[in-house]
Amino acid sequence: DAGITQSPRHKVTETGTPVTLRCHQTENHRYMYWYRQDPGHGLRLIHYSYGVKDTDKGEVSDGYSVSRSKTEDFLLTLESATSSQTSVYFCAISENSGTYNEQFFGPGTRLTVL
Amino acid sequence: DQQVKQNSPSLSVQEGRISILNCDYTNSMFDYFLWYKKYPAEGPTFLISISSIKDKNEDGRFTVFLNKSAKHLSLHIVPSQPGDSAVYFCAASAETSGSRLTFGEGTQLTVNP
Repeated sequence: DAGITQSPRHKVTETGTPVTLRCHQTENHRYMYWYRQDPGHGLRLIHYSYGVKDTDKGEVSDGYSVSRSKTEDFLLTLESATSSQTSVYFCAISENSGTYNEQFFGPGTRLTVL
Repeated sequence: DQQVKQNSPSLSVQEGRISILNCDYTNSMFDYFLWYKKYPAEGPTFLISISSIKDKNEDGRFTVFLNKSAKHLSLHIVPSQPGDSAVYFCAASAETSGSRLTFGEGTQLTVNP
């Protein structure tokens, strides 16, 4: 299994509070991604990173920010959590871009915003 | 605009029979397709993939078929086993979009003993 950990694994928070989720990899892969999974929507890309300090938006980036100061860590921040951000969040990594790009996923973080 | 669609939210089959999971896409720039399997409380795991230059790729019990003219791919599992019960996601990427994947909604497969 790819060495990807996510912390915390579960979190309950209140509307309006800031939340940071962490993804840590030991594979030294260049690319890292944050997805959210919701019923009826599959996995939707929030933000991704193509290198240290290099990030870009995905399809559902509103309300989220990311940072990558080291190859191994990719942080996802909800500046002011809302109930619509209740979801399961997955981090993924990949070595390459373009065709033949398999992404490998972490175990997920279940976030509940009350 | 859902570029990758899995129209069947669920599928139930008997152990030993064939499972066929379907996926349709609309973006003609997609050139690489993947299937992921997901168990509850775990992250998705990569299962099998196919590039647009092929129409079939086989790996053990799993075969993926690609019909580019119909913008359709399918995953065949033969024979199905109870341990195959999971959510299956179809995903696609385009060379022009770098490393980004677009996922379908997922299909819950249940294999009954």
